[in-house]
Amino acid sequence: DGGITQSPKYLFRKEGQNVTLSCEQNLNHDAMYWYRQDPGQGLRLIYYSQIVNDFQKGDIAEGYSVSREKKESFPLTVTSAQKNPTAFYLCASSGQDYGYTFGSGTRLTVV
Amino acid sequence: AQSVAQPEDQVNVAEGNPLTVKCTYSVSGNPYLFWYVQYPNRGLQFLLKYITGDNLVKGSYGFEAEFNKSQTSFHLKKPSALVSDSALYFCAVRDTAGGSYIPTFGRGTSLIVHP
Repeated sequence: DGGITQSPKYLFRKEGQNVTLSCEQNLNHDAMYWYRQDPGQGLRLIYYSQIVNDFQKGDIAEGYSVSREKKESFPLTVTSAQKNPTAFYLCASSGQDYGYTFGSGTRLTVV
Repeated sequence: AQSVAQPEDQVNVAEGNPLTVKCTYSVSGNPYLFWYVQYPNRGLQFLLKYITGDNLVKGSYGFEAEFNKSQTSFHLKKPSALVSDSALYFCAVRDTAGGSYIPTFGRGTSLIVHP
């Protein structure tokens, strides 16, 4: 089955630590996205990428970084500069049919 | 600029009754409209979309939505609600004008179906 795999499902970060969230897709989609979800705030766009080796900042990119070295992979690093990283992170991809396919999410908690 | 509003944070309905989850939008050109459902601690699942054509769109799990251009609405409906329909529902819009292909998501509506 084609889809998006996010790992890990749960992640704990210590203060001052960088952590990387994995996102892999086998849908052959060109575009990939990272969203942050907080209760009552819907989805907020962090970064997106239309093609390999290119990515753009979304609405809340500060404290985050990404790379797109392969079409299938779009990892997100939450850096120590992100002061409030506790949230649910969703990766998505899109193809020619305009709709998004989402991964199952990673819940990040600062300890 | 594109925007979308889900005016209800929560909708309560009894099992077996019809349900409606509201969505209104604003775009400069023509809209592409989407509904997604999210179960706890899961990603969003695609339900249906309107790109062009018939105003009534049928989707997964018996859901449908009606595109109303004059009212700029795209309400999600189901004739008979199930307890298992209880989840968070998101409407999204993408404006065909302006060049952006990134949709805007609403804040979500929590649907609670009571037995």
